[in-house]
Amino acid sequence: ENVLTQSPGTLSLSPGERATLSCRASQSVSSNFLAWYQQKPGQAPRLLMYATSSRATGIPDRFSGSGSGTDFILTISRLEPEDFAVYYCQQYQRSPLTFGGGTRVEIK
Amino acid sequence: EVQVLESGGGLVQPGGSLRLSCAASGFSFTNYAINWVRQAPGKGLEWVSSISSSGRTYYAGSVEGRFTISRDISKATLHMEMNSLRAEDTAVYYCAKDLLTYSTGWYGASDIWGQGTIVTVSS
Repeated sequence: ENVLTQSPGTLSLSPGERATLSCRASQSVSSNFLAWYQQKPGQAPRLLMYATSSRATGIPDRFSGSGSGTDFILTISRLEPEDFAVYYCQQYQRSPLTFGGGTRVEIK
Repeated sequence: EVQVLESGGGLVQPGGSLRLSCAASGFSFTNYAINWVRQAPGKGLEWVSSISSSGRTYYAGSVEGRFTISRDISKATLHMEMNSLRAEDTAVYYCAKDLLTYSTGWYGASDIWGQGTIVTVSS
């Protein structure tokens, strides 16, 4: 099983600041099979990025993804009030599909 | 509009069974895989099972042999039969549509999610 470790656990930032979220895999992941989701309280997850750097439909360009091998990054260039949420990375290269433990982005 | 809608959650005793359903609209199961993902209270996301567009099924080790996915294409409905339920199966269960029509029939990233159905396993 490919274990995904996200850091930091919590990120405290102000609106307008840049957020950098990390996802590290225990085994190499093809960049074609790494996704990021956003989840707000009481809501289902929302797909942000797939194939590491492709934005899902309707996702603003302040969200970007990068990385390869075992290290992947989600960057939010300028935080908007609606961006404060929990973010999960997911690898879908091999079964079992696995998710990281999540990074909470909170208002400082 | 492309949507999925889960139903069937509830309270069940340890060792009991429950059948979840996922109704699809706006797309066909023969073109897109479906993924089940659960979230225990206050915890992160956990993949549970998937069924490819061709009907091949995949399960997490924690539910293999206890959960079974099936589908009725004509009714655009998918079911997940859950047996021998344990306290650790307590979670919100999400049905989610695969993002892409993929060569293997299963891509694995999900773009359309239901609102979730709550399963509580407790005596």
